[in-house]
Amino acid sequence: GNSVTQMEGPVTLSEEAFLTINCTYTATGYPSLFWYVQYPGGGLQLLLKATKADDKGSNKGFEATYRKETTSFHLEKGSVQVSDSAVYFCALSEGAQKLVFGQGTRLTINP
Amino acid sequence: GAVVSQHPSRVICKSGTSVKIECRSLDFQATTMFWYRQFPKKSLMLMATSNEGSKATYEQGVEKDKFLINHASLTLSTLTVTSAHPEDSSFYICSAAHAGGKSYEQYFGPGTRLTVT
Repeated sequence: GNSVTQMEGPVTLSEEAFLTINCTYTATGYPSLFWYVQYPGGGLQLLLKATKADDKGSNKGFEATYRKETTSFHLEKGSVQVSDSAVYFCALSEGAQKLVFGQGTRLTINP
Repeated sequence: GAVVSQHPSRVICKSGTSVKIECRSLDFQATTMFWYRQFPKKSLMLMATSNEGSKATYEQGVEKDKFLINHASLTLSTLTVTSAHPEDSSFYICSAAHAGGKSYEQYFGPGTRLTVT
């Protein structure tokens, strides 16, 4: 079946550091890929998405590129802020409305 | 943006009792709602999909008689954990979607932490 694997956390960085959170997937077809973010006390929010190979999703300074050859969708940000502290989930979908999530990576940014 | 609430945010119940969790879409009509369960340091696992006015579709391995889902209106779905046991302790998350929406057009509630003692 389809699955998503994220790098294990927690990840702790200093403000303005470069961020990478790795995500790889296994799917039988051609999934859409997503990153969701969950801030403390809130629900998951869609951060960015990519629906086909080589697409780059971007939002709020975060980027991720759909790499079919490596089945990856790594999340990056050039300069993180304290307000980026949250839990990040990589996910995929193949049609319908079902989402398959990775286990989440907790990110803490220290000032 | 679309807002989904859950109530309660935390609940503690005794083993053998039942507990109901509500999921509400506050500013849109949710024809479809999803219930997820999240174990510590694990991914969200889809438990069931419910469409307003019809029976929920449960994922493989989820006991439909234990996790009762009702989606009686376009703004409310409930999950009832019946005869709860300590192994049911978990974080339960709902999401809501419009009819015909894309997979990423789900709006998530903040979750409910259930502890069964």
